[in-house]
Amino acid sequence: QSVLTQPPSASGTPGQRVTISCSGSSSNIGSNYVYWYQQLPGTAPKLLIYRNNQRPSGVPDRFSGSKSGTSASLAISGLRSEDEADYYCAVWDDSLSGWVFGGGTKLTVL
Amino acid sequence: QVQLQESGPGLVKPSQTLSLTCTVSGGSISSGGYYWSWIRQHPGKGLEWIGYIYYSGSTYYNPSLKNLVNISADTSKNQFSLNLSSVTAADTAVYYCARGSLSKEPRFDYWGQGTLVTVSS
Repeated sequence: QSVLTQPPSASGTPGQRVTISCSGSSSNIGSNYVYWYQQLPGTAPKLLIYRNNQRPSGVPDRFSGSKSGTSASLAISGLRSEDEADYYCAVWDDSLSGWVFGGGTKLTVL
Repeated sequence: QVQLQESGPGLVKPSQTLSLTCTVSGGSISSGGYYWSWIRQHPGKGLEWIGYIYYSGSTYYNPSLKNLVNISADTSKNQFSLNLSSVTAADTAVYYCARGSLSKEPRFDYWGQGTLVTVSS
């Protein structure tokens, strides 16, 4: 069981907006920055969102992140078929003194 | 452009030591404030951070694996390595090396392609 809780799956149709949640605690999300990674099938994860809501260069503005209290969310607007991937949240946990990842959410574009 | 490449045996017997090497190109592992990390992904599962070696040579490990893990570096070859001892089938996973760029923030901006290690007799 992961320290961070994500729904195992999410889905949407092209053009829709979907959100993926990540729930944690005061020792991780509540006190540290949240990151999001996208993992396309058969590839390594790729940094998608850093410091809660910042996008690295090259990441479309269709992807956005937010954080409130001990939860965070990733939103994808204008859903496209190439967004079909696994998405992971990540954060530093003060209690564990280490980086932790969520269990991942498999996004299906219908 | 920084590139990372994992190498090592794809099959390890139970109770033995899993040894992997990550070769870095496009940048030196001994310069800059980077955290050269190992992360694994069990089949069909999520990601688990294993540990890192800092550019200065200091190491830090996931507390759940601390007694079994050793990460070292060979700066002359621009490589860093993972040793995981007393492996069991539960250590079967894809192992990634990655470059972390911030302390206490999981900012991994470069990753290797990953290598599958199966623990089986």
